[in-house]
Amino acid sequence: SQKIEQNSEALNIQEGKTATLTCNYTNYSPAYLQWYRQDPGRGPVFLLLIRENEKEKRKERLKVTFDTTLKQSLFHITASQPADSATYLCALVNTGRRALTFGSGTRLQVQP
Amino acid sequence: GAVVSQHPSWVICKSGTSVKIECRSLDFQATTMFWYRQFPKQSLMLMATSNEGSKATYEQGVEKDKFLINHASLTLSTLTVTSAHPEDSSFYICSAAVPGQGNYGYTFGSGTRLTVV
Repeated sequence: SQKIEQNSEALNIQEGKTATLTCNYTNYSPAYLQWYRQDPGRGPVFLLLIRENEKEKRKERLKVTFDTTLKQSLFHITASQPADSATYLCALVNTGRRALTFGSGTRLQVQP
Repeated sequence: GAVVSQHPSWVICKSGTSVKIECRSLDFQATTMFWYRQFPKQSLMLMATSNEGSKATYEQGVEKDKFLINHASLTLSTLTVTSAHPEDSSFYICSAAVPGQGNYGYTFGSGTRLTVV
């Protein structure tokens, strides 16, 4: 069956450190993978998209890698800040469909 | 940027009544909208896909007669929870794929917290 797994339910790090979140998928062949941020009681906000032929993508303090052989994406936040505390979701588009399927999310807490 | 406005942000209703949730695309035309449900500490689960001018496509296990979706215009999709029960209490979120956006980003509404008492 198809699965999108984000290994850590919660991650606590110290301010200034790099947060690394993992997304693994099974039985998908995604053309691209997306990462979203969700704050409590709010809808997800789009952060980054990476295509299957891209190894790495950056946006300010964010970096995403995509390894289609390992079926894994890593999401990094460098120089983390308490304002980065939120739940981060990875998402894929299922072949032949348009809707996103989400991973379970990782709740990041950055301690000052 | 592309914005989807979702209302109400929260609603409390009595068991057996119906509740309507609206999602409007403010600065683009959304031919397709998606409706998700999210239970506490869980991820978003797709309920249905609505296409303007046609019937919605529901995911397996989602009752189409209970969750009525209408997408009558290119800027408005509604979800009506009929004969609501406490187990329908959840966070409902709509989403639209923004046309012409090269990065295929999807934009989401701010969500509706439904509590059925």
